Amino acid sequence: QKEVEQNSGPLSVPEGAIASLNCTYSDRGSQSFFWYRQYSGKSPELIMSIYSNGDKEDGRFTAQLNKASQYVSLLIRDSQPSDSATYLCAVTGKGFKTIFGAGTRLFVKA
Amino acid sequence: DAGVTQSPTHLIKTRGQQVTLRCSPISGHKSVSWYQQVLGQGPQFIFQYYEKEERGRGNFPDRFSARQFPNYSSELNVNALLLGDSALYLCASSLEGQRGEKLFFGSGTQLSVL
Repeated sequence: QKEVEQNSGPLSVPEGAIASLNCTYSDRGSQSFFWYRQYSGKSPELIMSIYSNGDKEDGRFTAQLNKASQYVSLLIRDSQPSDSATYLCAVTGKGFKTIFGAGTRLFVKA
Repeated sequence: DAGVTQSPTHLIKTRGQQVTLRCSPISGHKSVSWYQQVLGQGPQFIFQYYEKEERGRGNFPDRFSARQFPNYSSELNVNALLLGDSALYLCASSLEGQRGEKLFFGSGTQLSVL
């Protein structure tokens, strides 16, 4: 079982729709959860962090965490073509290392 | 303020050679982490350093080594290069290297091994 699992996609949504990205993790002791966005040929950039169960909203982005289900999600409202990228879920568990999933490719069609 | 800087941006080596990659963290950040990213995959953790000490190591062979200097910059060394070492090598810095800290990535070094 991979430590952090994501559907590789691609996920295709029309402009203006809600994009829903999901992630599961294996370490029940994980404490910190992140979503990074990576444009093709660029390095990852942090877009959301979440540390406790529930929802956290930042502009058009909402991160959701359910530790009992070991599940993290990212919702992107009013999706724009500029949101087309690979979204990486990252988890920090025991120790100091942050583990990344393989990423979900998102395409937003104009 | 400058972000995380990495050098060189691109590198071509042949099998068996050795390579050194360099990273300067954001000013004030004391921790540096190294990741390897193969095309189509997420970044794979290699090392984390804080105050010149290794704090964590991923599942990479001993051919991979790193160090951190008193100014918090870091080098990643890879010996006896294999074709499979071809990847984007990312450096990320964080403030104190604590659990849950956000990572800020440099633009990476693209290594090609021929």
